[in-house]
Amino acid sequence: QQQVKQSPQSLIVQKGGISIINCAYENTAFDYFPWYQQFPGKGPALLIAIRPDVSEKKEGRFTISFNKSAKQFSLHIMDSQPGDSATYFCAAGGSSYKLIFGSGTRLLVRP
Amino acid sequence: NAGVTQTPKFQVLKTGQSMTLQCAQDMNHNSMYWYRQDPGMGLRLIYYSASEGTTDKGEVPNGYNVSRLNKREFSLRLESAAPSQTSVYFCASTPLVLNSPLHFGNGTRLTVT
Repeated sequence: QQQVKQSPQSLIVQKGGISIINCAYENTAFDYFPWYQQFPGKGPALLIAIRPDVSEKKEGRFTISFNKSAKQFSLHIMDSQPGDSATYFCAAGGSSYKLIFGSGTRLLVRP
Repeated sequence: NAGVTQTPKFQVLKTGQSMTLQCAQDMNHNSMYWYRQDPGMGLRLIYYSASEGTTDKGEVPNGYNVSRLNKREFSLRLESAAPSQTSVYFCASTPLVLNSPLHFGNGTRLTVT
């Protein structure tokens, strides 16, 4: 199975709060799990990525948590800011050089 | 560096018309991709080219053709547009290194009436 399931579809968070987006995958051959951020009118851009040999990766306010046994991974945005308002996509890939994307989460951070 | 450039930015077609979406990258990347983005469905791969001279189907190739003109350019052609092809199309590129990031263009918004 090639699907990557992403939730929630939309998320509203107050400034300073924590935003959490979850993804689940089915194909155990996947070994690369990136998150992309997309602003209106722009193409997606890589935000942060993780390999399954680690359970967590942190870059600034952004953290990926990875649970290999559950085949799930999540993005946490700490101290969320209005500038973080965007659409976020999780993805999964393997040796085929092709990424399978989730359906996206539209995040709105209220001032 | 311009990165990945897509033309046109917007296009309206009538059912049955044909058109070609253009994509060029100036990063000397080997691999190029075409995705479509639809509400609630994320990004779906249409076709990709792992290296110059090769092309392969992705998840949703029906109704599309591609040409890898040279290392820089990768075009997507709709031979007979259908309303179901109304979408935002993104071109992306990456060096031929496993799990290297995709670099996306800013998209072409296509409406088929």
